Amino acid sequence: GIQVEQSPPDLILQEGANSTLRCNFSDSVNNLQWFHQNPWGQLINLFYIPSGTKQNGRLSATTVATERYSLLYISSSQTTDSGVYFCAVGGPSSNTGKLIFGQGTTLQVKP
Amino acid sequence: KAGVTQTPRYLIKTRGQQVTLSCSPISGHRSVSWYQQTPGQGLQFLFEYFSETQRNKGNFPGRFSGRQFSNSRSEMNVSTLELGDSALYLCASSVGGRGYTFGSGTRLTVV
Repeated sequence: GIQVEQSPPDLILQEGANSTLRCNFSDSVNNLQWFHQNPWGQLINLFYIPSGTKQNGRLSATTVATERYSLLYISSSQTTDSGVYFCAVGGPSSNTGKLIFGQGTTLQVKP
Repeated sequence: KAGVTQTPRYLIKTRGQQVTLSCSPISGHRSVSWYQQTPGQGLQFLFEYFSETQRNKGNFPGRFSGRQFSNSRSEMNVSTLELGDSALYLCASSVGGRGYTFGSGTRLTVV
């Protein structure tokens, strides 16, 4: 099956700093999403981005499907950005509904 | 619009018992997926239901089962609970698998 690797596993930033999180996947995908899990366990969908670039406020994401990776950019980080960021993919032959998650990047933003 | 509602939020059960978790998707969403999250294994796909039919299934033993009703609400059942079933169980609903909305989860503790 598809393997999803995220890096770095842990990241500590000072408030105001920028960061880039990476997601590598081992096969073609037809679905790629980024999620943020807050300290209470809630998973928030940030982007649906199987290819191309999207931006939403201080967050942006780019997926280069041909090279099998995606990047999540966080600019001017805030303490509320802390939590775990997950990349999840759906394979080219899979039905919708099944996502394979990476192990996540744990981000801590210090004031 | 109302989000994805999972009940109960917390549950403590004894080994050997069975448990039923409930998930009400966003109105109009016909796809409901279930995931298990543990510190050791991360987020793993359990199964997906669409229009009352199981469309996809992960690699979990037969003790894990689910169903979906005509109003798209879904339940999952775990029989003969084991200590290793202690986890956060997350439900997600989507339209066409593009943007997933997760519920707050049910945290199950097996003692």
